[in-house]
Amino acid sequence: KAGVTQTPRYLIKTRGQQVTLSCSPISGHRSVSWYQQTPGQGLQFLFEYFSETQRNKGNFPGRFSGRQFSNSRSEMNVSTLELGDSALYLCASSPPQGSFTEAFFGQGTRLTVV
Amino acid sequence: KQEVTQIPAALSVPEGENLVLNCSFTDSAIYNLQWFRQDPGKGLTSLLLIQSSQREQTSGRLNASLDKSSGRSTLYIAASQPGDSATYLCAVGSSGNTGKLIFGQGTTLQVKP
Repeated sequence: KAGVTQTPRYLIKTRGQQVTLSCSPISGHRSVSWYQQTPGQGLQFLFEYFSETQRNKGNFPGRFSGRQFSNSRSEMNVSTLELGDSALYLCASSPPQGSFTEAFFGQGTRLTVV
Repeated sequence: KQEVTQIPAALSVPEGENLVLNCSFTDSAIYNLQWFRQDPGKGLTSLLLIQSSQREQTSGRLNASLDKSSGRSTLYIAASQPGDSATYLCAVGSSGNTGKLIFGQGTTLQVKP
């Protein structure tokens, strides 16, 4: 069974640009969550999508957005990139039960903003 | 607001030692607690998941316990090996209706041969 797949693995962008990251969950999983990991702040929750609807949102500016498609694949977009957006972005998927259970993470996308 | 703390931040032990990693949380109304391992620059690997109704879970040399009333969880690693060197993270899920996890800052473990 394939795990959570994130693409691309590495990105270098210039300040002011926008970027789109992709996450393909484990087959059959309907919940996808996104996290930002930095050395100073650790792992912080960005948002969660379930059945194409945003179910929960963390405390990030509106420059961070996401969406989920009917096949449960999810994308997150960051507009007007800032140097502080440099981080490892991780997504997690969870089984389709009505209540949340175990989270499985992808390898992450390392974003560097220069 | 749920806060998760892990102590110590770093730990170095000789191979073969048994060790305990600690995780504490401020709000005891949790849904579950998950322990993860992260190797440098990599994603998170799930180690153990404890539901709020459970007291412990075991997988191989790993044992995780949960005491909701005191807001604490421990991860016990038996007979540590150099391959166990990694950062260990605990994360709390506060509701059954969301995938949101609140993470601790992690404990970086080094096991010396």
